[in-house]
Amino acid sequence: DTGVSQDPRHKITKRGQNVTFRCDPISEHNRLYWYRQTLGQGPEFLTYFQNEAQLEKSRLLSDRFSAERPKGSFSTLEIQRTEQGDSAMYLCASSLLPEAFFGQGTRLTVV
Amino acid sequence: AQKITQTQPGMFVQEKEAVTLDCTYDTSDPSYGLFWYKQPSSGEMIFLIYQGSYDQQNATEGRYSLNFQKARKSANLVISASQLGDSAMYFCAMRESRRNAGNMLTFGGGTRLMVKP
Repeated sequence: DTGVSQDPRHKITKRGQNVTFRCDPISEHNRLYWYRQTLGQGPEFLTYFQNEAQLEKSRLLSDRFSAERPKGSFSTLEIQRTEQGDSAMYLCASSLLPEAFFGQGTRLTVV
Repeated sequence: AQKITQTQPGMFVQEKEAVTLDCTYDTSDPSYGLFWYKQPSSGEMIFLIYQGSYDQQNATEGRYSLNFQKARKSANLVISASQLGDSAMYFCAMRESRRNAGNMLTFGGGTRLMVKP
């Protein structure tokens, strides 16, 4: 399977804990995006990488959130000191333009 | 103002019939792209169809076509010959090309399509 891969698919964590998600994009895609989707809503943009450079960050990405793409391949999204409001689906996408291809997402539940 | 508006929270369609899902957008950028994605209950966003703002013809992909009316700023998705597997959430999205747009997709709130046997 050469699509976008995300791990884990599901994560349950206690409030205050740190969590890290991984995204492996389609190999030749230089653009990588993170989105957050809450129940009943469309995805909202969080951040964008072109190769290893983080070029855009949404105001939704508070200082508790950090994303990296160290070698321009896979990416990680870390949430520190999780809050119940962080419960959502976190979607990763990669692109050569115009269309973006999404992974199956990581569903985070903060209890 | 909302950049992408999908006014139909839910739609029913009879199997084998055609259905139109509405999408209107708002941008001052002369160059932009419009996208439709399908999200089944499994959660994955599946790319369906793309229309560039300068494309002269409406995009088509199999049973999907995009009714692009630039002056009205609408980009409706038409699904012909609906199948039970088409039951899902459908999202309209836009990418603007101006320098500070960031290359991201902006999504609408989605339409839940339910296909009746």
